[in-house]
Amino acid sequence: GENVGLHLPTLSVQEGDNSIINCAYSNSASDYFIWYKQESGKGPQFIIDIRSNMDKRQGQRVTVLLNKTVKHLSLQIAATQPGDSAVYFCAENIGSGGGADGLTFGKGTHLIIQP
Amino acid sequence: KAGVTQTPRYLIKTRGQQVTLSCSPISGHRSVSWYQQTPGQGLQFLFEYFSETQRNKGNFPGRFSGRQFSNSRSEMNVSTLELGDSALYLCASSFGAGRGSGNTIYFGEGSWLTVV
Repeated sequence: GENVGLHLPTLSVQEGDNSIINCAYSNSASDYFIWYKQESGKGPQFIIDIRSNMDKRQGQRVTVLLNKTVKHLSLQIAATQPGDSAVYFCAENIGSGGGADGLTFGKGTHLIIQP
Repeated sequence: KAGVTQTPRYLIKTRGQQVTLSCSPISGHRSVSWYQQTPGQGLQFLFEYFSETQRNKGNFPGRFSGRQFSNSRSEMNVSTLELGDSALYLCASSFGAGRGSGNTIYFGEGSWLTVV
């Protein structure tokens, strides 16, 4: 079936550097994508989202890029901090009614910040 | 305002028993969905409710069920528990229909279920 997958299970970066986390999706019908951050023992925390009619969206220290041609999504975190250490998930929403229906999650990338 | 609240946070059950988990969405949110998270399968969608109606359902057996009340609070139930049901069960809420900004999907901290 359709799925969302991540290229790398673990990413290690130096504190202060920029991080790029990648995600591939296979369902061309997907029109809404979300990035979540999950710290150990906690629920996923919303970071940023993007709709398919956009190719870039920026938040505070984060940027999401969407390339629909190759079905690729990336999350860029600027000037990474120790608090950025977590597992990052991309998710797609192809539900018919919108809202919290049927998010499909990737497996996650563990971001490790080296001091 | 308060986030998505799930109870209980931790519980241990025996195979064959049943369990009920509770979720209180963010005030004003009418859409509630449930997810199961395991190390092997990751985050998987269980079902979603909007205005007390199940709108969408994932690929889980009938032992997994849920409901939503008129105040948008939701419960999920797992009957005849199996060892493989051990997982973190997450509840998420959003305002309602439509996707994108203004309808962000927020997760609770989850309920850790261990089946022995």
